[in-house]
Amino acid sequence: DVKVTQSSRYLVKRTGEKVFLECVQDMDHENMFWYRQDPGLGLRLIYFSYDVKMKEKGDIPEGYSVSREKKERFSLILESASTNQTSMYLCASNPLSGGNQPQHFGDGTRLSIL
Amino acid sequence: GENVEQHPSTLSVQEGDSAVIKCTYSDSASNYFPWYKQELGKRPQLIIDIRSNVGEKKDQRIAVTLNKTAKHFSLHITETQPEDSAVYFCAPTRTSGTYKYIFGTGTRLKVLA
Repeated sequence: DVKVTQSSRYLVKRTGEKVFLECVQDMDHENMFWYRQDPGLGLRLIYFSYDVKMKEKGDIPEGYSVSREKKERFSLILESASTNQTSMYLCASNPLSGGNQPQHFGDGTRLSIL
Repeated sequence: GENVEQHPSTLSVQEGDSAVIKCTYSDSASNYFPWYKQELGKRPQLIIDIRSNVGEKKDQRIAVTLNKTAKHFSLHITETQPEDSAVYFCAPTRTSGTYKYIFGTGTRLKVLA
């Protein structure tokens, strides 16, 4: 069974801090994703990566960056956290032929920026 | 840009009744149509999917129907049970060209005992 693990379930940070959210998957999937989930807005794609060191912007990349140094790990970085980045963050993965394969999600990180 | 809409946004049904959620999309290149279920405090999980060469797929109490001409697909749940209460998301996707990963805004289903 695919396992996608996010490093923290809950995280509280202060405005202006640099924040790292980590995600690891164990199924050798090429594609990895970071989404943000807010009430009434569904899941919105921040960034995705289809290979090591490769990344593509999603719909809402502003204020975020990502890093993929190893195939199994995909990190989301908030360069200077702001209160409007308080949200639930979900990581997901699927195989390279991703267009017709379901995504497998982690449990999410609920991030609060004070 | 591409657009995905789900209706209704909330749905309450009596236990044992049926529920239908509709997803309308604008990208005519979409040809993979999954539905995800997210229970409170848990991760979204795939419950059923369909590919564009098929018009309908059923798995026990759950079915998905696809109308590619009209660009919509629907989730059907029969004999609803309290454990069906959750938020459901559609995510129509193209399988070639530039991938677009767009989820619907979700439908909150409440099954009343």
